[in-house]
Amino acid sequence: NAGVTQTPKFRILKIGQSMTLQCTQDMNHNYMYWYRQDPGMGLKLIYYSVGAGITDKGEVPNGYNVSRSTTEDFPLRLELAAPSQTSVYFCASSYVQATEAFFGQGTRLTVV
Amino acid sequence: AQSVTQLDSHVSVSEGTPVLLRCNYSSSYSPSLFWYVQHPNKGLQLLLKYTSAATLVKGINGFEAEFKKSETSFHLTKPSAHMSDAAEYFCASVSGGYNKLIFGAGTRLAVHP
Repeated sequence: NAGVTQTPKFRILKIGQSMTLQCTQDMNHNYMYWYRQDPGMGLKLIYYSVGAGITDKGEVPNGYNVSRSTTEDFPLRLELAAPSQTSVYFCASSYVQATEAFFGQGTRLTVV
Repeated sequence: AQSVTQLDSHVSVSEGTPVLLRCNYSSSYSPSLFWYVQHPNKGLQLLLKYTSAATLVKGINGFEAEFKKSETSFHLTKPSAHMSDAAEYFCASVSGGYNKLIFGAGTRLAVHP
């Protein structure tokens, strides 16, 4: 099984550019999450979704957007990249909220 | 409000000695609690979880954690550290009233020979 797949693995953006981080899971999980990880800060929840067509803000949603048109896909959109968005981004999924979350391998994003 | 606090940012132990990583939670509802481990440049892997069954939870690689409601704690322990345990450990919670999986700031565990 592929599990949770994130693309790309690495990306360098210029200030003001936009991009979409892709996340796909093949486990038929209802819940999906986007996190950013900064040194010493742990993982901060950006957005999450409890099913197709339903999304909600997490702890640090500013500067990001998401959509969930299918159960499998949960893309994260950065519209106007800023240096503060330099981070490692993780996508995760779980069947329901109290079950194990499975993580992708991460996307390392640098904004210069 | 829901939150997770890991009380130590760094813990250093000698190989063969006990490990204690501390985690406190705050939640208005009965939480589900998790410990994840992250090795360098890797994603997160589940060590163990508590979901309102037995308060002492056993996980992989000899780790266990005890849910103490009176202390709002979920500390992770291992009787004897191994060099391969060196990694970053994250405590996380999901509350019944929320759908968010929230993480603590992490504890970096160093194991010395």
